[in-house]
Amino acid sequence: DPKIIQKPKYLVAVTGSEKILICEQYLGHNAMYWYRQSAKKPLEFMFSYSYQKLMDNQTASSRFQPQSSKKNHLDLQITALKPDDSATYFCASSQLGTGGDERLFFGHGTKLSVL
Amino acid sequence: GDSVTQTEGPVTVSESESLIINCTYSATSIAYPNLFWYVRYPGEGLQLLLKVITAGQKGSSRGFEATYNKETTSFHLQKASVQESDSAVYYCALGTQVVGQLTFGRGTRLQVYA
Repeated sequence: DPKIIQKPKYLVAVTGSEKILICEQYLGHNAMYWYRQSAKKPLEFMFSYSYQKLMDNQTASSRFQPQSSKKNHLDLQITALKPDDSATYFCASSQLGTGGDERLFFGHGTKLSVL
Repeated sequence: GDSVTQTEGPVTVSESESLIINCTYSATSIAYPNLFWYVRYPGEGLQLLLKVITAGQKGSSRGFEATYNKETTSFHLQKASVQESDSAVYYCALGTQVVGQLTFGRGTRLQVYA
């Protein structure tokens, strides 16, 4: 069974709309992340959260807002969607405080298509 | 910024043949980054295959090996004899100073046929 659950698997949206991507992890980790992979591009780091607090934000746009209602949840709200936002969004988690072990565990991703 | 370049796929090999997937990196934010290979099998999420955090060291897992070469800034993935079950997408990555932030290559799709 997957330990990091992302919902939905596929999402189609119209330009200008707002969507929320869901991520829950059941690994007991204390840090969660969002990555994005656009067509023919590498996975790109977006955010990191630890204990429900933002650690780092590499995305320039305020249209992307992570939301953490519980320590094992890190949802991603995207507003004013644009076609360039079309990508697969991956949630990941890790356990901090393990001597710098950067072993990330990834979900299966949510593929977003903006028309 | 940091970057990773790896063999462009797809790579197609027959079972029991040897394999090498090239990976070179450029790290501007950190002198000696941690290096990783991740793998995504069909229908599964991305998972860690192996990691090496010390230059000159070799990591291994599931018959795969990769050596951290700081002189050539390379971290090539090798396997002496591939199996059909190795068919997957392989990603080379380096760790930055930001916790949880890895810089990935574009991935190399490997197809092994019987």
